[in-house]
Amino acid sequence: ETGVTQTPRHLVMGMTNKKSLKCEQHLGHNAMYWYKQSAKKPLELMFVYNFKEQTENNSVPSRFSPECPNSSHLFLHLHTLQPEDSALYLCASSQVAGEQFFGPGTRLTVL
Amino acid sequence: RKEVEQDPGPFNVPEGATVAFNCTYSNSASQSFFWYRQDCRKEPKLLMSVYSSGNEDGRFTAQLNRASQYISLLIRDSKLSDSATYLCVVPPLDTGRRALTFGSGTRLQVQP
Repeated sequence: ETGVTQTPRHLVMGMTNKKSLKCEQHLGHNAMYWYKQSAKKPLELMFVYNFKEQTENNSVPSRFSPECPNSSHLFLHLHTLQPEDSALYLCASSQVAGEQFFGPGTRLTVL
Repeated sequence: RKEVEQDPGPFNVPEGATVAFNCTYSNSASQSFFWYRQDCRKEPKLLMSVYSSGNEDGRFTAQLNRASQYISLLIRDSKLSDSATYLCVVPPLDTGRRALTFGSGTRLQVQP
């Protein structure tokens, strides 16, 4: 077990829906991350939070809205997504700049 | 040079073979490196950390060559279960960033 959990594990949504992905880490880390991985493509870093503060936003469209209420929880709010947003969304945590531990991911399908 | 570069493969090897992957990096000041393994449709998992000249764990050996700025992963006596994508991970080139930089991965297929 990695100590990083994600819910839901699978999500199917329409383009007009609003949904949220949740990530929780039980490792005492102070940094959390959202990644997107499309089929057969490399990891794409989306957002980085250090001590609850967003420190990186890699030009992610505003239809993805992250929220980090504390160092253990991270959310990704989704609205008006496009079919090309279908992907595996991975959450990770670490000590700052240390090795990252990943959750199992949420497999998202946008219809 | 890109921050981190890997040969995408695939490397197709028979069971029992020895296989090695290289990964080049740009940041000459980098101190710590990692190899992750990612199985199909699963999350990446930390395989090995490489902090100095190298690291060995069973059949896996990671080595660091600072002069040429590359790290390598050697797998001896390959098993079918070693089939996966291996990701090289380095510190970011931009010191203003905090997140590690992941390579695009090298795919290994071990065949019976």
